[in-house]
Amino acid sequence: AQTVTQSQPEMSVQEAETVTLSCTYDTSESNYYLFWYKQPPSRQMILVIRQEAYKQQNATENRFSVNFQKAAKSFSLKISDSQLGDTAMYFCAFILASGTYKYIFGTGTRLKVLA
Amino acid sequence: SAVISQKPSRDICQRGTSLTIQCQVDSQVTMMFWYRQQPGQSLTLIATANQGSEATYESGFVIDKFPISRPNLTFSTLTVSNMSPEDSSIYLCSVAPSGAVTGELFFGEGSRLTVL
Repeated sequence: AQTVTQSQPEMSVQEAETVTLSCTYDTSESNYYLFWYKQPPSRQMILVIRQEAYKQQNATENRFSVNFQKAAKSFSLKISDSQLGDTAMYFCAFILASGTYKYIFGTGTRLKVLA
Repeated sequence: SAVISQKPSRDICQRGTSLTIQCQVDSQVTMMFWYRQQPGQSLTLIATANQGSEATYESGFVIDKFPISRPNLTFSTLTVSNMSPEDSSIYLCSVAPSGAVTGELFFGEGSRLTVL
């Protein structure tokens, strides 16, 4: 069975600084996708970034980037130049690449960006 | 992409009653899911809502407690039956639109239920 672990329940960062959110996962499969989702206080979750396991290159989306270490089963999210609008709950998630959409979510990290 | 509307956004319910949550999508989607997000916990998949057939439930969730309807490709309902305080949670509708990035889910804003 697959598991996703986020060991940081809460974090804070000063505006314009950089913060890294940690995520580890466990699976015996080789083909899968990893995601970071953001859930602002309004509660609608949106996709931040996605990584295919077969790709060695780390995904990047503007100020958001990941450090994907497949052997270590680690998938951290780096937010550069943090903005107040980045304040949210961040969930790390995993699905197999078989198309079942059976997501495994971590417990989330609540990030607060301080002015 | 997909825009998802959920109703109600929040409600306070009495023990033993049932509540139906509606999920409306602005486009036809094949895959639609219902999640539960308990306070301080992760999201847990309740079931996959199948159009024209019975929903597929995950382990620990049963149709009698969480009946789901999916009459067409844009609409679904989740009923939380015979509620107890343990059912207090946020219930989220999500969809995987065709043409979206592989694996991406779109979520509604959720329905926050409090059972007294």
